[in-house]
Amino acid sequence: DIVMTQTPLSSPVTLGQPASISCNSSQSLVHSDGNTYLSWLQQRPGQPPRLLIYKISNRFSGVPDRFSGSGAGTDFTLKISRVEPEDVGVYYCMQAAQFPLTFGRGTKVEIK
Amino acid sequence: EVQLVESGGGLVQPGGSLRLSCAASGFTFSNYWMHWVRQAPGKGLVWVSRLSSDGSNIVYADSVKGRFTISRDNAKNTVYLQMNSLRAEDTAVYYCATWGWSRGYWGQGTLVTVSS
Repeated sequence: DIVMTQTPLSSPVTLGQPASISCNSSQSLVHSDGNTYLSWLQQRPGQPPRLLIYKISNRFSGVPDRFSGSGAGTDFTLKISRVEPEDVGVYYCMQAAQFPLTFGRGTKVEIK
Repeated sequence: EVQLVESGGGLVQPGGSLRLSCAASGFTFSNYWMHWVRQAPGKGLVWVSRLSSDGSNIVYADSVKGRFTISRDNAKNTVYLQMNSLRAEDTAVYYCATWGWSRGYWGQGTLVTVSS
């Protein structure tokens, strides 16, 4: 199985400041079709997960543009340009390049 | 409004069975591949199974293979997860989810507790 490693596990941030989360995969996430199936999800406290980013850098419909994704191969990053109160929660990276789909352990974003 | 509504969770004894349902509305359900993902209390996300739009292509996590069965009824806009031979480690909130064409949807989840 592909292991997804996220850093940091916790990220205290100041409102209005940027935040960055890294995700490393144990194998390349480039699929045979040429796409890289790396997604990011957000889970607010007490809520189900919400999909933010697909194929490294594409925002799902309705996701604010302060969220951006980047990376290639095995190293990926989620950035929040200016953290807002509603961004508090746990963020997960997920790979869908190979079965079983696997998730990172999550990064908790909290306000300082 | 897009909705995925799970139901069927509850308390079951080890070795027992449950059937989860996920009713979809607000989008063309028959076009989407459907997933079940679970989350044990206080833990992270674990993928369980995926079913193609026409029901012909199915994949399971090794941990549930042979015990769980995913299926769908496109006429009812519903996906199911039949869970047999349940174990304590299957205790989790079970979410149905789908994504495609820049849209992604998750349900609110249904809690399954396996305990004697």
